[in-house]
Amino acid sequence: KNQVEQSPQSLIILEGKNCTLQCNYTVSPFSNLRWYKQDTGRGPVSLTIMTFSENTKSNGRYTATLDADTKQSSLHITASQLSDSASYICVVSRPSGGGADGLTFGKGTHLIIQP
Amino acid sequence: DTGVSQNPRHKITKRGQNVTFRCDPISEHNRLYWYRQTLGQGPEFLTYFQNEAQLEKSRLLSDRFSAERPKGSFSTLEIQRTEQGDSAMYLCASTPWGARDTGELFFGEGSRLTVL
Repeated sequence: KNQVEQSPQSLIILEGKNCTLQCNYTVSPFSNLRWYKQDTGRGPVSLTIMTFSENTKSNGRYTATLDADTKQSSLHITASQLSDSASYICVVSRPSGGGADGLTFGKGTHLIIQP
Repeated sequence: DTGVSQNPRHKITKRGQNVTFRCDPISEHNRLYWYRQTLGQGPEFLTYFQNEAQLEKSRLLSDRFSAERPKGSFSTLEIQRTEQGDSAMYLCASTPWGARDTGELFFGEGSRLTVL
Protein backbone atom coordinates (compact mmCIF):
# COMPACT_ATOMS: atom_id res chain seq x y z
CA LYS A 1 0.00 0.00 0.00
CA ASN A 2 1.29 3.47 -0.90
CA GLN A 3 1.87 5.41 2.30
CA VAL A 4 3.67 8.54 3.49
CA GLU A 5 4.61 8.77 7.15
CA GLN A 6 5.81 12.01 8.70
CA SER A 7 7.54 12.60 12.00
CA PRO A 8 7.34 14.14 14.44
CA GLN A 9 3.61 14.80 14.47
CA SER A 10 4.25 18.12 16.19
CA LEU A 11 7.30 20.10 17.23
CA ILE A 12 7.91 23.18 19.33
CA ILE A 13 11.22 25.04 19.09
CA LEU A 14 12.56 28.44 20.06
CA GLU A 15 12.99 31.16 17.50
CA GLY A 16 16.43 31.05 15.92
CA LYS A 17 16.90 27.31 16.44
CA ASN A 18 17.18 24.73 13.67
CA CYS A 19 14.93 21.73 13.18
CA THR A 20 14.53 18.73 10.89
CA LEU A 21 11.28 17.15 9.75
CA GLN A 22 11.16 13.59 8.44
CA CYS A 23 9.17 11.92 5.67
CA ASN A 24 9.28 8.17 4.95
CA TYR A 25 7.35 6.70 2.06
CA THR A 26 6.46 3.38 0.50
CA VAL A 27 5.10 4.81 -2.75
CA SER A 28 6.15 2.91 -5.83
CA PRO A 29 6.91 3.63 -8.56
CA PHE A 30 8.30 7.01 -7.55
CA SER A 31 8.16 10.21 -9.58
CA ASN A 32 8.85 13.07 -7.19
CA LEU A 33 8.41 14.28 -3.64
CA ARG A 34 7.20 17.71 -2.65
CA TRP A 35 7.19 19.56 0.64
CA TYR A 36 4.30 21.94 1.18
CA LYS A 37 3.91 24.58 3.88
CA GLN A 38 0.41 25.18 5.19
CA ASP A 39 -0.23 28.20 7.37
CA THR A 40 -3.18 27.90 9.76
CA GLY A 41 -6.46 28.37 7.91
CA ARG A 42 -4.77 28.61 4.49
CA GLY A 43 -4.11 26.27 1.60
CA PRO A 44 -0.77 24.45 1.25
CA VAL A 45 1.99 26.11 -0.77
CA SER A 46 4.84 24.22 -2.41
CA LEU A 47 8.29 24.76 -0.89
CA THR A 48 10.41 22.42 -2.94
CA ILE A 49 10.32 19.39 -5.22
CA MET A 50 12.74 16.47 -5.12
CA THR A 51 13.16 14.13 -8.09
CA PHE A 52 14.80 10.72 -8.12
CA SER A 53 18.24 12.02 -9.06
CA GLU A 54 18.35 14.86 -6.54
CA ASN A 55 19.87 14.44 -3.09
CA THR A 56 19.73 17.95 -1.71
CA LYS A 57 17.95 21.15 -2.64
CA SER A 58 17.77 24.46 -0.83
CA ASN A 59 15.17 27.19 -0.88
CA GLY A 60 16.37 29.99 1.38
CA ARG A 61 16.45 28.69 4.93
CA TYR A 62 14.77 25.44 3.87
CA THR A 63 16.90 22.48 2.76
CA ALA A 64 15.31 19.25 1.57
CA THR A 65 17.10 15.95 1.18
CA LEU A 66 16.07 12.75 -0.53
CA ASP A 67 17.42 9.22 -0.21
CA ALA A 68 15.58 7.27 -2.89
CA ASP A 69 17.19 4.00 -1.80
CA THR A 70 15.82 4.14 1.73
CA LYS A 71 12.74 6.13 0.62
CA GLN A 72 13.34 8.89 3.11
CA SER A 73 13.25 12.65 2.85
CA SER A 74 13.93 15.40 5.33
CA LEU A 75 13.22 19.11 5.51
CA HIS A 76 15.72 21.12 7.50
CA ILE A 77 14.85 24.63 8.64
CA THR A 78 17.72 26.86 9.63
CA ALA A 79 17.52 29.84 12.00
CA SER A 80 13.77 29.46 12.48
CA GLN A 81 11.49 32.47 12.44
CA LEU A 82 8.04 33.00 13.90
CA SER A 83 6.62 32.90 10.38
CA ASP A 84 7.83 29.30 10.03
CA SER A 85 5.04 28.23 12.37
CA ALA A 86 2.87 26.06 10.13
CA SER A 87 2.14 22.50 9.09
CA TYR A 88 4.61 20.92 6.69
CA ILE A 89 3.15 18.27 4.42
CA CYS A 90 5.12 15.72 2.40
CA VAL A 91 3.49 14.59 -0.87
CA VAL A 92 4.85 11.77 -3.03
CA SER A 93 3.85 11.44 -6.69
CA ARG A 94 3.73 8.39 -8.92
CA PRO A 95 4.61 8.73 -12.62
CA SER A 96 1.09 8.36 -13.91
CA GLY A 97 -2.35 9.33 -12.79
CA GLY A 98 -3.55 12.25 -10.75
CA GLY A 99 -6.12 10.71 -8.51
CA ALA A 100 -5.92 9.03 -5.17
CA ASP A 101 -3.07 6.77 -6.27
CA GLY A 102 -1.18 9.45 -8.15
CA LEU A 103 -0.52 11.66 -5.14
CA THR A 104 -0.04 10.36 -1.61
CA PHE A 105 -0.16 12.89 1.20
CA GLY A 106 1.41 12.66 4.62
CA LYS A 107 -0.50 13.91 7.64
CA GLY A 108 1.98 16.70 8.17
CA THR A 109 4.20 17.95 10.97
CA HIS A 110 2.79 20.82 12.98
CA LEU A 111 5.65 23.18 13.79
CA ILE A 112 5.39 25.93 16.40
CA ILE A 113 8.13 28.53 16.76
CA GLN A 114 8.16 30.21 20.15
CA PRO A 115 9.72 33.66 20.70
CA ASP B 1 -4.46 35.93 -12.43
CA THR B 2 -4.53 35.83 -8.65
CA GLY B 3 -4.50 32.08 -8.11
CA VAL B 4 -7.13 29.55 -7.12
CA SER B 5 -10.20 31.15 -5.62
CA GLN B 6 -12.68 29.41 -3.33
CA ASN B 7 -15.91 30.64 -1.84
CA PRO B 8 -17.42 30.89 0.56
CA ARG B 9 -14.40 30.82 2.89
CA HIS B 10 -16.57 29.86 5.82
CA LYS B 11 -19.98 28.19 5.98
CA ILE B 12 -21.95 27.33 9.09
CA THR B 13 -25.03 25.24 8.52
CA LYS B 14 -27.47 23.08 10.40
CA ARG B 15 -27.46 19.33 10.05
CA GLY B 16 -29.61 18.23 7.14
CA GLN B 17 -29.10 21.35 5.03
CA ASN B 18 -27.42 21.38 1.63
CA VAL B 19 -24.28 23.40 0.96
CA THR B 20 -22.37 24.24 -2.20
CA PHE B 21 -18.78 25.36 -2.56
CA ARG B 22 -17.27 26.95 -5.64
CA CYS B 23 -13.72 26.80 -6.93
CA ASP B 24 -12.23 28.97 -9.68
CA PRO B 25 -8.88 27.49 -10.73
CA ILE B 26 -5.97 29.25 -12.37
CA SER B 27 -7.24 29.92 -15.86
CA GLU B 28 -4.86 27.77 -17.93
CA HIS B 29 -4.95 24.80 -15.55
CA ASN B 30 -6.87 21.86 -16.96
CA ARG B 31 -6.79 19.62 -13.86
CA LEU B 32 -8.82 20.46 -10.80
CA TYR B 33 -8.86 18.57 -7.49
CA TRP B 34 -11.05 18.56 -4.42
CA TYR B 35 -9.64 17.52 -1.05
CA ARG B 36 -11.05 17.38 2.46
CA GLN B 37 -8.91 18.18 5.46
CA THR B 38 -9.76 17.75 9.13
CA LEU B 39 -7.81 19.19 12.03
CA GLY B 40 -4.34 17.70 12.38
CA GLN B 41 -4.63 15.61 9.23
CA GLY B 42 -3.28 15.94 5.73
CA PRO B 43 -5.62 16.58 2.80
CA GLU B 44 -7.71 13.56 1.74
CA PHE B 45 -8.49 13.11 -1.93
CA LEU B 46 -12.14 13.44 -2.93
CA THR B 47 -12.22 13.78 -6.70
CA TYR B 48 -10.51 15.33 -9.70
CA PHE B 49 -11.35 16.63 -13.15
CA GLN B 50 -9.43 16.81 -16.39
CA ASN B 51 -11.15 19.68 -18.16
CA GLU B 52 -14.86 18.89 -17.72
CA ALA B 53 -14.44 15.14 -17.26
CA GLN B 54 -14.55 13.76 -13.73
CA LEU B 55 -11.83 11.10 -13.86
CA GLU B 56 -11.91 9.65 -10.37
CA LYS B 57 -13.95 9.78 -7.21
CA SER B 58 -12.80 8.62 -3.80
CA ARG B 59 -14.81 6.22 -1.71
CA LEU B 60 -14.98 9.13 0.74
CA LEU B 61 -17.31 10.82 -1.74
CA SER B 62 -20.62 9.33 -0.62
CA ASP B 63 -23.79 9.70 -2.63
CA ARG B 64 -24.51 12.89 -0.67
CA PHE B 65 -21.52 14.53 -2.36
CA SER B 66 -21.50 15.65 -5.97
CA ALA B 67 -18.94 17.65 -7.89
CA GLU B 68 -19.22 19.26 -11.29
CA ARG B 69 -17.05 21.18 -13.69
CA PRO B 70 -19.53 21.87 -16.49
CA LYS B 71 -17.40 23.94 -18.84
CA GLY B 72 -13.98 22.85 -17.74
CA SER B 73 -13.43 26.07 -15.84
CA PHE B 74 -14.92 26.58 -12.37
CA SER B 75 -16.10 23.65 -10.26
CA THR B 76 -18.73 23.18 -7.59
CA LEU B 77 -18.86 20.71 -4.73
CA GLU B 78 -22.30 20.12 -3.27
CA ILE B 79 -23.03 18.29 -0.05
CA GLN B 80 -26.61 17.27 0.48
CA ARG B 81 -28.21 16.51 3.87
CA THR B 82 -25.10 17.58 5.74
CA GLU B 83 -23.96 15.63 8.79
CA GLN B 84 -21.74 16.75 11.64
CA GLY B 85 -19.00 14.49 10.30
CA ASP B 86 -18.87 16.63 7.18
CA SER B 87 -17.33 19.47 9.18
CA ALA B 88 -13.93 20.04 7.63
CA MET B 89 -11.89 22.29 5.39
CA TYR B 90 -12.61 21.63 1.71
CA LEU B 91 -9.61 22.45 -0.42
CA CYS B 92 -9.53 22.94 -4.16
CA ALA B 93 -6.33 22.72 -6.17
CA SER B 94 -5.44 23.04 -9.83
CA THR B 95 -2.51 22.07 -12.00
CA PRO B 96 -1.57 22.45 -15.68
CA TRP B 97 -1.46 18.71 -16.35
CA GLY B 98 0.51 17.97 -19.48
CA ALA B 99 3.71 19.28 -20.99
CA ARG B 100 3.97 22.16 -18.55
CA ASP B 101 3.07 20.14 -15.52
CA THR B 102 5.61 19.83 -12.75
CA GLY B 103 3.25 18.02 -10.42
CA GLU B 104 2.79 21.09 -8.26
CA LEU B 105 -0.69 21.59 -6.92
CA PHE B 106 -1.83 25.18 -6.56
CA PHE B 107 -4.28 25.27 -3.68
CA GLY B 108 -7.00 27.72 -2.87
CA GLU B 109 -7.51 29.12 0.61
CA GLY B 110 -10.14 26.50 1.34
CA SER B 111 -13.78 26.55 2.39
CA ARG B 112 -14.33 25.72 6.03
CA LEU B 113 -17.62 23.96 6.76
CA THR B 114 -19.12 23.72 10.23
CA VAL B 115 -22.23 21.58 10.62
CA LEU B 116 -24.15 22.23 13.83
